[in-house]
Amino acid sequence: QVQLVESGGGVVQPGRSLRLSCTTSGFTFGSYGMNWVRQAPGKGLEWVAVLWFDGSNKNYADSVQGRFTISRDNSKKKVYLEMNRLRVEDTAVYYCVRGYDIVDYWGQGTLVTVSS
Amino acid sequence: QSVLTQPPSASGTPGQRVTILCSGSTSNIGSNTVNWYQQLPGTAPKLLIYSNNQRPSGVPARFSGSNSDTSASLAISGLQSEDEADYYCASWDDRLNGLVFGGGTKLTVL
Repeated sequence: QVQLVESGGGVVQPGRSLRLSCTTSGFTFGSYGMNWVRQAPGKGLEWVAVLWFDGSNKNYADSVQGRFTISRDNSKKKVYLEMNRLRVEDTAVYYCVRGYDIVDYWGQGTLVTVSS
Repeated sequence: QSVLTQPPSASGTPGQRVTILCSGSTSNIGSNTVNWYQQLPGTAPKLLIYSNNQRPSGVPARFSGSNSDTSASLAISGLQSEDEADYYCASWDDRLNGLVFGGGTKLTVL
């Protein structure tokens, strides 16, 4: 079955960096675009970034543009989110999700807390 | 401020039919299909409806979706207590070149 497992979350000070990983299984990873979506405590869902199935195209929400970088390793079936210059408002559960127009499978999420 | 607009709350009694609306624009719902997600407390969102009106395997037929122009709706018939959750609409946005979500609707079963 399709599985997405995020890791790498934790507590970090403002201005520091963190790298999230998403390990996938149960599907042909190289055939799917991948996204990161986040949810601040008690708030709704916010799309963060997308990466095309072959890595040829990527895009970011304005709120993270220039600070976050999405990447993938198709040989390892993993997708990553490098987060730099973190802000308090980046505090959220970060979900790894599969697909473009049909986003079907979600990981369980990893919590990132940005606090001094 | 979410790109897609949903009512923050909805409610109904067991057995009733409830409808949740999602309003967008020509760059998202007007050009692309809509997905709906159910999020139970403390869990990840789960796909409920995709491509406007398709149900993934395992989703009861009580859940249905429809859309018209730049709006979409999720209908839940025969409301049950376990339907109490947050519901989100989502669509691809051609102008932003990314996913857009509604702000979420908290459904309460009275």
